[in-house]
Amino acid sequence: NAGVTQTPKFQVLKTGQSMTLQCAQDMNHNSMYWYRQDPGMGLRLIYYSASEGTTDKGEVPNGYNVSRLNKREFSLRLESAAPSQTSVYFCASTEGPNTGELFFGEGSRLTVL
Amino acid sequence: AQTVTQSQPEMSVQEAETVTLSCTYDTSESDYYLFWYKQPPSRQMILVIRQEAYKQQNATENRFSVNFQKAAKSFSLKISDSQLGDAAMYFCAPLSNFGNEKLTFGTGTRLTIIP
Repeated sequence: NAGVTQTPKFQVLKTGQSMTLQCAQDMNHNSMYWYRQDPGMGLRLIYYSASEGTTDKGEVPNGYNVSRLNKREFSLRLESAAPSQTSVYFCASTEGPNTGELFFGEGSRLTVL
Repeated sequence: AQTVTQSQPEMSVQEAETVTLSCTYDTSESDYYLFWYKQPPSRQMILVIRQEAYKQQNATENRFSVNFQKAAKSFSLKISDSQLGDAAMYFCAPLSNFGNEKLTFGTGTRLTIIP
């Protein structure tokens, strides 16, 4: 059982380049999330999708776009990467609502030069 | 907005001893969940324990237990008989926007186990 799978696990970009982080879950979960983790700041929510076909902004959405392609997949796109977007990105999912427990991917380390 | 405070950036404990990690939070909701997640060096986030706010009884999971004080909005994690595998970052996370499952995470406490 793979759980939540993120790709790529590591990526180096130059300022201004674009890229998409892919996330897929095989647990038939309704809700999916993208978080970023920076030293000393915990995890901050970028975007989330409560169900297929819906997306909403989280705490730090600027510079990102998302697509809930289907129930399994939730992608995060950086259209024009900036050094401030250097971070570790986590995708998560939950059966939701009212269950709470998030299941996380292994994280994707992104460096923007 | 939800706020979460973990006032101990780093903690250390001798192997086999007990350690308590603190967490305070602010919410206007009366019914919610609280979680402690563990992030070992592998970076994988792992659920340690969960508490429903409407339950007065503190949750326990083997060597892990919580001290939940709803009125004080305090949710501490106690680890008994600490083991080397407990070394990790620990994040407190209360559930906000109940039904939308938007967790707000604290800044974390790095726990070191001293052999």
